[in-house]
Amino acid sequence: NAGVTQTPKFQVLKTGQSMTLQCAQDMNHEYMSWYRQDPGMGLRLIHYSVGAGITDQGEVPNGYNVSRSTTEDFPLRLLSAAPSQTSVYFCASSVTGAGSRYFGPGTRLLVL
Amino acid sequence: GQQVMQIPQYQHVQEGEDFTTYCNSSTTLSNIQWYKQRPGGHPVFLIQLVKSGEVKKQKRLTFQFGEAKKNSSLHITATQTTDVGTYFCAGISWGNTGKLIFGQGTTLQVKP
Repeated sequence: NAGVTQTPKFQVLKTGQSMTLQCAQDMNHEYMSWYRQDPGMGLRLIHYSVGAGITDQGEVPNGYNVSRSTTEDFPLRLLSAAPSQTSVYFCASSVTGAGSRYFGPGTRLLVL
Repeated sequence: GQQVMQIPQYQHVQEGEDFTTYCNSSTTLSNIQWYKQRPGGHPVFLIQLVKSGEVKKQKRLTFQFGEAKKNSSLHITATQTTDVGTYFCAGISWGNTGKLIFGQGTTLQVKP
């Protein structure tokens, strides 16, 4: 099993550009989520999904969109990137919403 | 909204000394989880506590969940250089299954 995979590993964007961060898991986990990590801030929940077709907002959802059309994939979309979105983004999956999270390796995003 | 506070933010210890990090939630938790993140890596699940007053041990690591299920601690006995990293607590509030909220983390440095 590959576990949780994320692409790309690194990305540089200009302000106003859009992009999609990809996340996939091959463990048949129902639950998936996106976090961003900034120095001194811990990990902050952006959006999460309890199953295909169901998504909900986390702590810091503004500026990000998600959809969950399959169990395996949970992409995160930045519609108009801003410098404040410079961060490391982690995707995580879990058997259930209450269970332990398996994290992907992360995507480092720089918005200029 | 739910908040999880963790102290201290940083801790430097001499190898062989003990280390403790404390976690407090603004709401009563259904469960609390602990993760470790090595520099440049992704968070890795350590343990989950669900019962009031629960204590669990993993070799030199001791995890406690408070009686009121609003606080937790991680204690490492006789630290080793391999313990270096950032330790995060993360909690799920009652009725909020799916929202795993992280504390800011405690970064541990161990001097050999």
